[in-house]
Amino acid sequence: QKEVEQNSGPLSVPEGAIASLNCTYSDRGSQSFFWYRQYSGKSPELIMFIYSNGDKEDGRFTAQLNKASQYVSLLIRDSQPSDSATYLCAVANQAGTALIFGKGTTLSVSS
Amino acid sequence: NAGVTQTPKFQVLKTGQSMTLQCAQDMNHNSMYWYRQDPGMGLRLIYYSASEGTTDKGEVPNGYNVSRLNKREFSLRLESAAPSQTSVYFCASSDGRGETEAFFGQGTRLTVV
Repeated sequence: QKEVEQNSGPLSVPEGAIASLNCTYSDRGSQSFFWYRQYSGKSPELIMFIYSNGDKEDGRFTAQLNKASQYVSLLIRDSQPSDSATYLCAVANQAGTALIFGKGTTLSVSS
Repeated sequence: NAGVTQTPKFQVLKTGQSMTLQCAQDMNHNSMYWYRQDPGMGLRLIYYSASEGTTDKGEVPNGYNVSRLNKREFSLRLESAAPSQTSVYFCASSDGRGETEAFFGQGTRLTVV
């Protein structure tokens, strides 16, 4: 069974701090990696995707991928209370036909 | 632009009843998915369809059936609902090439009593 693992949290950070969210995956053939944000009672929405080893930055968000270690992370700089949500890591299967999600990490940003 | 539309939004069933959850997308996507979300469990894949006419089992397919009616529509059927199927169900669609995001519907909150 291919797995995607995340710490469930909650992860608590003060406003303005950096939040670091981590994810590991078991399928070495995976090529596509996604971070979704989900507010309580809402649908998941995409924040970032990354396909290549290294860092990818988009505004306050940076995704990091290390395929050798089978590790994906998301950094949120200058965290805001509005960032408080559950963050879901998702990995596409080798064929690219299905997304497997982790259980999510709950982030709480205090003002 | 509607995106992914699910119906109904809420449903209460009695144990043993059957029902079909409907999903339609207007983005001309090839792949469609059904997930269930339970507290602390993240999103678990029930079934997916990589293209019109094909369906495959995901992580938790037992107790469910699906139909890819056409490119736009992908339905999920519970033949004999059980309390363990109480959950929030999400339909999603994507281009299906693995490099594009999946777009989600608003979810169906199903309670089986």
